[in-house]
Amino acid sequence: QVTLRESGPALVKPTQTLTLTCTFSGFSLSTSGMCVSWIRQPPGKALEWLALIDWDDDKYYSTSLKTRLTISKDTSKNQVVLTMTNMDPVDTATYYCARIPSGDYAMLDYWGQGTLVTVSS
Amino acid sequence: AIQLTQSPSSLSASVGDRVTITCRASQGISSALAWYQQKPGKAPKLLIYDASSLESGVPSRFSGSGSGTDFTLTISSLQPEDFATYYCQQFNSYPLDRLTFGGGTKVEIK
Repeated sequence: QVTLRESGPALVKPTQTLTLTCTFSGFSLSTSGMCVSWIRQPPGKALEWLALIDWDDDKYYSTSLKTRLTISKDTSKNQVVLTMTNMDPVDTATYYCARIPSGDYAMLDYWGQGTLVTVSS
Repeated sequence: AIQLTQSPSSLSASVGDRVTITCRASQGISSALAWYQQKPGKAPKLLIYDASSLESGVPSRFSGSGSGTDFTLTISSLQPEDFATYYCQQFNSYPLDRLTFGGGTKVEIK
C-alpha cells in the first residue's frame, strides 16, 4: 500500500526558510524510474508544480521558484525534503507531495493529504 | 516552459449531462497528459494518464482523448459525486518546468 505524508510547520514568518518533509511507504525511491514531486495550492487557486527528484538523484525545479527551492532525498528513511527560502505571505498554500511511478507514463498516482503552510508575522 | 490552458474555467451542468473539458498545450507534448479530479479540502485524484488511459478504479464514464496540443476530458453522464474541479497536467523532458498544471475547471451543479 502506497502512502505519502507531508510534515512541517503550519506557520512561518516572512523571510524565514520553510522545510517540509515527505515520508512515504509502499515503494522505494531507489527503484529505477521512480520520482517524488512537490506541488502547492494557494487557497482557492490552482495547483502549482514546484520540484521533482528521481531515483537517480536528478532534481528538477519550477523556473519561477528555482532560486528558492532545494529538493533532496534520504532513501534509507523513505523521505524527500523540500526547502523554500525567503518565505512571503504569497507562499501561503497547501503543500502536497506525490509519487510518479516508474514506467512509461508520467503521472502523479499517489498523493499525500497535504499540509497547510501559512506565512504571517 | 510549456503552458496548459484549460477551458472553460467553470461550468454548470445537471446530473446526467455530458461534460467536456479541454486542455491546450503551448507546444506539442505527444500524449504525456494526465487529468485529475479535486474535491474541496482533498488531494487531487488521478483519473486519466497518457491522455486516454483510465486509471484503475476510475468509473468508465470518464474518458480522455487527444495528442499533440489539444486534449479533452469527457464525463459521459455526470453524477452527483463528479461535481469537483478538474486539472490537466503535462510532463516533458526539459530540464526546467518538467511538469505543469492547467488552471483548472470547476464543475458546478446547475
